Amino acid sequence: SAVISQKPSRDICQRGTSLTIQCQVDSQVTMMFWYRQQPGQSLTLIATANQGSEATYESGFVIDKFPISRPNLTFSTLTVSNMSPEDSSIYLCSGGTTANTGELFFGEGSRLTVL
Amino acid sequence: GENVEQHPSTLSVQEGDSAVIKCTYSDSASNYFPWYKQELGKGPQLIIDIRSNVGEKKDQRIAVTLNKTAKHFSLHITETQPEDSAVYFCASNHDRGSTLGRLYFGRGTQLTVWP
Repeated sequence: SAVISQKPSRDICQRGTSLTIQCQVDSQVTMMFWYRQQPGQSLTLIATANQGSEATYESGFVIDKFPISRPNLTFSTLTVSNMSPEDSSIYLCSGGTTANTGELFFGEGSRLTVL
Repeated sequence: GENVEQHPSTLSVQEGDSAVIKCTYSDSASNYFPWYKQELGKGPQLIIDIRSNVGEKKDQRIAVTLNKTAKHFSLHITETQPEDSAVYFCASNHDRGSTLGRLYFGRGTQLTVWP
């Protein structure tokens, strides 16, 4: 399994500001993903973080709002830009050691509150 | 795309009883079905998974069954304990094309085990 660390674990932000969430994996993973989980809801995939290239975004999510970097196999960042209260959510980083097995492990999440 | 339905949304059982959570999926190409447990304030934790070449898998008090023909899979927890109380998510994945490694999640089941 992979141990995934995220920071910050929580933050309170002002409307219009941006926040970058960092994700560190303890071992090299083939794939990394960013999910959003609104209070009491399921997980929604934001994008696949691709090493050394642009992320692949799901429908409804755009790079200008959620820029993602993945400079190497063990690190990725997600920025939530120009935040509004609707962006208040838990943002989860996940990683998988082997694409074929499909096993994904999650970080503890970053809980953002936008005032 | 894949659609994963999960029932029930809430489930309350007495300690020592069994709990069953059911999921259906729509894409016959899906071949990997994990279950995650999410405790309050934490990230989802992979507890058991099953692949499409297997009908049943057990791990101590937890078992998962898969019916490929009917496109449904279930999580069974026996001899429930209060520490089993959490939100459980089913998910599916198919390893083809651009969706390789992507998980589709159900809406979650809040399990409460009363002592």
